[in-house]
Amino acid sequence: KAGVTQTPRYLIKTRGQQVTLSCSPISGHRSVSWYQQTPGQGLQFLFEYFSETQRNKGNFPGRFSGRQFSNSRSEMNVSTLELGDSALYLCASSQTRYEQYFGPGTRLTVT
Amino acid sequence: AQRVTQPEKLLSVFKGAPVELKCNYSYSGSPELFWYVQYSRQRLQLLLRHISRESIKGFTADLNKGETSFHLKKPFAQEEDSAMYYCALRSEETSGSRLTFGEGTQLTVNP
Repeated sequence: KAGVTQTPRYLIKTRGQQVTLSCSPISGHRSVSWYQQTPGQGLQFLFEYFSETQRNKGNFPGRFSGRQFSNSRSEMNVSTLELGDSALYLCASSQTRYEQYFGPGTRLTVT
Repeated sequence: AQRVTQPEKLLSVFKGAPVELKCNYSYSGSPELFWYVQYSRQRLQLLLRHISRESIKGFTADLNKGETSFHLKKPFAQEEDSAMYYCALRSEETSGSRLTFGEGTQLTVNP
C-alpha cells in the first residue's frame, strides 16, 4: 500500500497569511491525526479526525482547524499565521489505536 | 494531564555496548506506551508497544507501573540503531489514537 502523503512538502508564508496543508492517509485508514513538531516543544498533538468528525483536540488556539473528507483525506488550516507557527507538521493515519503511520511532513516557515 | 519525559536528549554508546533509553510518564489512568523511531531521512515509525511484549530489532521495553517507566533496552547496540527515539503514551480511557510524545533521545552508536 502507498504510505501517507502530505502536500506541499515545503511552504513559506508571511505573518498574517493563512495556510492549508493536505494529508492523504493509507487506503482503508479512517483516522487521521495531526501533530506539530518544533525543536522547542517537540511533537504536540493538534487534532484527530475519524469518519469526518473531530474525535480529539489538542491545546492549540482556534486559528488551527482541520477537516476530513468522505475519502478520509484531511486538511488542516492555520489562519493569521505567527512566526511561532513555523514548524514541521506531521500527519498520521491509523486503522487501529495501536499503530500510527506517519507522513513525511510539511515544513512551514513563517517570515 | 498526561506527560512523557525522556531525560536524555543525547545518548552516545559504542557498538556492541548495551543501551538503555529512559522514559518516564505521568498519568493517573491506564496508559498504553509506545516507542517510535526516526532514522535519518526517514519517517517516524513505530518500533514497539508495551501491549505486544515483543522484541523488535533486538529492542525490548517493559512497562513498570510502579515506577511509571517504559525504558527501551538493547543488549548489544549496532551502528544502524543510530536514530531519534520517541516514547509516547496513549490513554486507554480516550477513544482514538491521540499520542503524547516525549521530547526524544538522539542515539548515536559509534564504531
